[in-house]
Amino acid sequence: GAVVSQHPSRVICKSGTSVKIECRSLDFQATTMFWYRQFPKQSLMLMATSNEGSKATYEQGVEKDKFLINHASLTLSTLTVTSAHPEDSSFYICSARESVNTEAFFGQGTRLTVV
Amino acid sequence: AQKITQTQPGMFVQEKEAVTLDCTYDTSDPSYGLFWYKQPSSGEMIFLIYQGSYDQQNATEGRYSLNFQKARKSANLVISASQLGDSAMYFCAMRELYNQGGKLIFGQGTELSVKP
Repeated sequence: GAVVSQHPSRVICKSGTSVKIECRSLDFQATTMFWYRQFPKQSLMLMATSNEGSKATYEQGVEKDKFLINHASLTLSTLTVTSAHPEDSSFYICSARESVNTEAFFGQGTRLTVV
Repeated sequence: AQKITQTQPGMFVQEKEAVTLDCTYDTSDPSYGLFWYKQPSSGEMIFLIYQGSYDQQNATEGRYSLNFQKARKSANLVISASQLGDSAMYFCAMRELYNQGGKLIFGQGTELSVKP
């Protein structure tokens, strides 16, 4: 299957700082990427959908100014958690697809800890 | 309203036995797809099986089969001959082609534990 690479896999940051998470499609052009957040023992909650070259569409209740998403190319989307707080500590995972009719492939996920 | 429902937070199964993980869904979109993923403790999402709304036959992939009951809106995952390595979280997900722009929405998950 297609490969989606997410980096970093783990990150610890201080409260008040920002952290950037990258999601790359390695062998296909991802017109759409999705960002999910997952708390322990819970489901994946969709945060936003990003289409290459346009603004991301955020799900209800997700602060767009806190979770900045950029999808500047067909192979890269980034999620920046701004002014991170301990409650932002979570598992963040991206998925990417080539078109609406194709399968979405997942990155490995990023475990964020804010101290 | 919950679009994907998994009512079993946790399940136990004896090694080598079969187990069924339940999933029900709700949609008015005539074109949709149903997915099952396995998530081990490492966090990666492992795709297991897919069923399209227009597929006539139940999907099968090795030890995994999907019991698709369209009228009842259920898409249960059957794992045959359970192995210790099957212990993980299992998520059912749905993708609606028209209503949600193809977003993948997940159920609450079921934690499966395989006993030796």
